[in-house]
Amino acid sequence: GAVVSQHPSWVICKSGTSVKIECRSLDFQATTMFWYRQFPKQSLMLMATSNEGSKATYEQGVEKDKFLINHASLTLSTLTVTSAHPEDSSFYICSANLRAARLRELTFGQGTRLTVV
Amino acid sequence: AQSVTQLGSHVSVSEGALVLLRCNYSSSVPPYLFWYVQYPNQGLQLLLKYTSAATLVKGINGFEAEFKKSETSFHLTKPSAHMSDAAEYFCAVSGYNNNDMRFGAGTRLTVKP
Repeated sequence: GAVVSQHPSWVICKSGTSVKIECRSLDFQATTMFWYRQFPKQSLMLMATSNEGSKATYEQGVEKDKFLINHASLTLSTLTVTSAHPEDSSFYICSANLRAARLRELTFGQGTRLTVV
Repeated sequence: AQSVTQLGSHVSVSEGALVLLRCNYSSSVPPYLFWYVQYPNQGLQLLLKYTSAATLVKGINGFEAEFKKSETSFHLTKPSAHMSDAAEYFCAVSGYNNNDMRFGAGTRLTVKP
């Protein structure tokens, strides 16, 4: 079946540094990838939609200069949290749209837990 | 616009008992409905989906859900809970392209021995 690999699974970084999270579709091409943020014991909040070869579409209230998204190929999207602060600590999850499927179906990565100290 | 409401942020059942997790949806277009399960520090795993075919949908791990248009509901059930079912469950709704998938707040299922 379709697999989305997210890396790293967890990361700790210092305030002011930048962190890059990768989301790869391993056995299918994904024209669209989605980035979510999840706070403890809460639901997933869509941050942005990443389309291959074009600029990402950000949800209202999400700072595009803070959360840089790059979707350079049909199998890779990256989320870079720039100048991270403790309030950016969260669980970040990506998902990809199975391109070949007649019914679009999302496959999720395993998530990345970011802790900013 | 689409949205889902999950009734009950926490459900606790005894092992072997019926599991019922409630989800109501709102959608201006024919909805596609999903149930996902999330284990701690992991991503989401699809349990089942409704795609306008059969209204009773069977998924993995013995779960099933019934689409009821008249009640705008898509409740998740399992006849007999197992300890391994303890997790967070999310109901989601989308249109055809999934570009607008929206998740409910989630329901934490606890299974007591």
